[in-house]
Amino acid sequence: NAGVTQTPKFRVLKTGQSMTLLCAQDMNHEYMYWYRQDPGMGLRLIHYSVGEGTTAKGEVPDGYNVSRLKKQNFLLGLESAAPSQTSVYFCASSYGTLPNEQFFGPGTRLTVL
Amino acid sequence: GIQVEQSPPDLILQEGANSTLRCNFSDSVNNLQWFHQNPWGQLINLFYIPSGTKQNGRLSATTVATERYSLLYISSSQTTDSGVYFCAVVYQGGSEKLVFGKGTKLTVNP
Repeated sequence: NAGVTQTPKFRVLKTGQSMTLLCAQDMNHEYMYWYRQDPGMGLRLIHYSVGEGTTAKGEVPDGYNVSRLKKQNFLLGLESAAPSQTSVYFCASSYGTLPNEQFFGPGTRLTVL
Repeated sequence: GIQVEQSPPDLILQEGANSTLRCNFSDSVNNLQWFHQNPWGQLINLFYIPSGTKQNGRLSATTVATERYSLLYISSSQTTDSGVYFCAVVYQGGSEKLVFGKGTKLTVNP
């Protein structure tokens, strides 16, 4: 099993450009999450999904959109990137039932110039 | 929302030393996880421990849910233990969202 994978690993954008980050999991998990990590801080939840076709806002959702068209994939979109979105983005997944341990992907390092 | 506080923020050890990291949280939790973020940025699951005690090799963790804290013990530390240790919780009524502390940065010197 590959676990949780993220594409791409690194990306540099100019202000105003758009992009999509892809998260895939092969553990048949119901729940998926997108977090961001800024220097010296823990992770903060952007959006999450409790099942195929559903999404919900987390702690810091502004400037991002998400889609969960397939159970195994969770996409994070930036429509018009801003320098404040420079961060490391982590995807996670979990079964959704107890014990609901979350497992994380390797991260995507995004720089917005 | 729930507050998650970790201490100490920084810790420097000599190889072979033992250490205890603490996580305090301000509300009842359904889930508590400990992670190790290695120097390459990868988040490694250490423990899923909403209550009780678990051990895995040189690492062990204890969560006392009624007193709202968790402890991570590292014995006979090695240089590969260096990195940042995060505590994260899901609080009751907080859906399934993990709320992270700011972490403890551990440096183990040879």
